[in-house]
Amino acid sequence: QQQVKQSPQSLIVQKGGISIINCAYENTAFDYFPWYQQFPGKGPALLIAIRPDVSEKKEGRFTISFNKSAKQFSLHIMDSQPGDSATYFCAASKRNYQLIWGAGTKLIIKP
Amino acid sequence: DAGITQSPRHKVTETGTPVTLRCHQTENHRYMYWYRQDPGHGLRLIHYSYGVKDTDKGEVSDGYSVSRSKTEDFLLTLESATSSQTSVYFCAVGYSGTDTQYFGPGTRLTVL
Repeated sequence: QQQVKQSPQSLIVQKGGISIINCAYENTAFDYFPWYQQFPGKGPALLIAIRPDVSEKKEGRFTISFNKSAKQFSLHIMDSQPGDSATYFCAASKRNYQLIWGAGTKLIIKP
Repeated sequence: DAGITQSPRHKVTETGTPVTLRCHQTENHRYMYWYRQDPGHGLRLIHYSYGVKDTDKGEVSDGYSVSRSKTEDFLLTLESATSSQTSVYFCAVGYSGTDTQYFGPGTRLTVL
């Protein structure tokens, strides 16, 4: 019940396309769902996060879609650029507990 | 980078030797974390601290110990390093248990 399952493991998208990464969880007590972005040789950094009181959150080209009934959330990157090439991690937590991380998705944007 | 440094950045050691990794922060974050990152496993929590001398185990704590004697420093010790502990270790900090975590640059550890 503590797992967060992330897919796909790797993804190749053409420049200008839409990148979509999905995560699923089982614990209905989770109430915080962040996405982190990691470039090679660096630590992860928070990209965008959502709480379950909204179904979508958008920041620039990055959007989180949240489906509470399906226990799924996804990251959409619009107009994907080569600079978006990185590893993306979803995570989930419930109040006062630690983040549970997905396994990561390596995204490559082809010029 | 939230003022986080990790030392050393790279280390090669031999099986059976003790190893200590240091995380130092300058912004007075209450929470500090040690993760390991391995291909296919994402980030796995080793130990975390929610205050000076207050620590707790994470998902993969066996073979590791931690100490936090000052707000700014969180030490991770591998008591007797094994090859399975070859990994990249990240320190992270945050103001609360479920708020944004800020990560350090990582330490690449190789145990031969």
